[in-house]
Amino acid sequence: GQQVMQIPQYQHVQEGEDFTTYCNSSTTLSNIQWYKQRPGGHPVFLIQLVKSGEVKKQKRLTFQFGEAKKNSSLHITATQTTDVGTYFCAGLKMNSNSGYALNFGKGTSLLVTP
Amino acid sequence: KAGVTQTPRYLIKTRGQQVTLSCSPISGHRSVSWYQQTPGQGLQFLFEYFSETQRNKGNFPGRFSGRQFSNSRSEMNVSTLELGDSALYLCASSWGPTGELFFGEGSRLTVL
Repeated sequence: GQQVMQIPQYQHVQEGEDFTTYCNSSTTLSNIQWYKQRPGGHPVFLIQLVKSGEVKKQKRLTFQFGEAKKNSSLHITATQTTDVGTYFCAGLKMNSNSGYALNFGKGTSLLVTP
Repeated sequence: KAGVTQTPRYLIKTRGQQVTLSCSPISGHRSVSWYQQTPGQGLQFLFEYFSETQRNKGNFPGRFSGRQFSNSRSEMNVSTLELGDSALYLCASSWGPTGELFFGEGSRLTVL
């Protein structure tokens, strides 16, 4: 089945440092989505990338989708303590039944110390 | 607008029992999917329903089943519970098959 690998598993940074998490799929994806889960909370949608080579920005967050639509990255510039949480990528692939499965990576847990 | 509602939020069962979890999606959302979240395995896809039809299923044993009703509410059932079924079960709804997922708070199941 579809595998979505995400690295690193954990990242501990000082406030103000940058952070990047990477996501790789074994197959071509229809789209890729990113979610953030705060400790004790549930995943919350951040963004969706659809086009090959797409780059989107949300304030200090930059999301990229690879040319082959198999990899993606999330980069946070100048982290803040509010960025703490686990960041998940999720690759979507349609099946022949018009159904879909959004397969999540295992996430990168970000800890930011002031 | 109300979010995704899952009940119960917490429950404790013993091995061999069965459990039913409920999910009410956001009004107007017809797609409901279920995920199991554990510390070691992350978020694992269980199944997805659209208009009462299961369109996709993850790699879980037959003890895990689900259904969706005409009002889009969904239930999942786990029979013959095992210790390894202890997890946070998350339900998510969306407008359509490729849109963003809106997650509920989850049902935390502990199997003793």
